[in-house]
Amino acid sequence: QVQLVQSGAEVKKPGASVKVSCKGSGYSFTKYGIDWVRQAPGQGLEWMGWISADNGNTKYAQKLLGRVTLTTDTSASTAYMELRSLRSDDTAVYYCAIIDGVVGFDYWGQGTLVTVSS
Amino acid sequence: EIVLTQSPGTLSLSPGERATLSCRASQSVWNNYLAWYQQKPGQAPRLLIYGASSRATGIPDRFSGSGSGTDFTLTISRLEPEDFAVYYCQQYDGLSTFGPGTKVEIK
Repeated sequence: QVQLVQSGAEVKKPGASVKVSCKGSGYSFTKYGIDWVRQAPGQGLEWMGWISADNGNTKYAQKLLGRVTLTTDTSASTAYMELRSLRSDDTAVYYCAIIDGVVGFDYWGQGTLVTVSS
Repeated sequence: EIVLTQSPGTLSLSPGERATLSCRASQSVWNNYLAWYQQKPGQAPRLLIYGASSRATGIPDRFSGSGSGTDFTLTISRLEPEDFAVYYCQQYDGLSTFGPGTKVEIK
């Protein structure tokens, strides 16, 4: 079965960077793109971006453009989300997900809590 | 960027009642690329509806979606105890965005 397993919780200082990993298993990694979605404590969902695991094409939310980079390592079946110049309002649970809005299915990672605090 | 607005912010209903949730887009959503998700505390979201009106795999038929263009609706025909949660709409026409959510709570 399809599984996405994310790296563990992180605590970072303002201005630092964080890189969250998302390892896929149970399917051919290059078959689906990966979305990244975050959720600040008690808040709603925020779409961050998407990467094609096949060719590396990316889309980024305008708000995060320039601070976020999505990459994949197909040999390791792993996707990465790097966020730079962290601020306190970047504190959130970060999810990776496979979302197919044409066929109609989704798989989500377990979420990674990133805390930004001095 | 397409901005999504959801109403109401909170819906207080009893089990067995009908829930009607609204999602409005700031511009037309191409090809009705509009999805609905359910999220419970401490859990990842779950896809309910895609393409505005198609139920995702395993979703009970009490959930239905409708609408096109800029106005979309999620209807839960008879609320079950497990349906009390937060519901988000998402458009995936190019750059994706989520709505702010509607909380369905027990009255």
